[in-house]
Amino acid sequence: AQTVTQSQPEMSVQEAETVTLSCTYDTSESDYYLFWYKQPPSRQMILVIRQEAYKQQNATENRFSVNFQKAAKSFSLKISDSQLGDAAMYFCAYRFTGANSKLTFGKGITLSVRP
Amino acid sequence: GAGVSQSPSNKVTEKGKDVELRCDPISGHTALYWYRQSLGQGLEFLIYFQGNSAPDKSGLPSDRFSAERTGGSVSTLTIQRTQQEDSAVYLCASSPSFGSLSEKLFFGSGTQLSVL
Repeated sequence: AQTVTQSQPEMSVQEAETVTLSCTYDTSESDYYLFWYKQPPSRQMILVIRQEAYKQQNATENRFSVNFQKAAKSFSLKISDSQLGDAAMYFCAYRFTGANSKLTFGKGITLSVRP
Repeated sequence: GAGVSQSPSNKVTEKGKDVELRCDPISGHTALYWYRQSLGQGLEFLIYFQGNSAPDKSGLPSDRFSAERTGGSVSTLTIQRTQQEDSAVYLCASSPSFGSLSEKLFFGSGTQLSVL
């Protein structure tokens, strides 16, 4: 079974600084997708960024980028120029590309941003 | 609607009572998921529906949990004889297609269930 591990329950970053959130996963599959979701206090999950496992290039979305290390099964999220609005819970998630697959989430990490 | 709508937003119930949680997915989305988020835990998959196919119920924790989706749209998650360990946020998500290589889930704001 696939598992997603986020070992850091909480992190804090100074506004305008850079922070990296860690995620590892375990799978025997070679084709899959990885995601980072943000959950603000409103509880509504928002997709931040996604990575296709077959792509070697790391995904980037504005201030958000990932460091995808397929061999190490590592998928970290880097937030540059942190803003107060970035404060939220962040979840790493995995999905196999095959039929009847579903998103498997990690336990999440609470990110706080200090003004 | 513009997004996934869940009701009620918050529900407080007494142990042993039955509860129904509702999810209105985005119009046209064929896939619908239910997840449970307990304090300090990640999102636990419960069930998903895809079109007219039989639902994947593999994540339902016990036979007290059931869900249905009427007309391929609205879904109701029912918890019978609620227990205190059922207290959690129940999140619904929908997707425009299943099997798409870039499937994106659109989430509702969830129902916070508190069992006293």
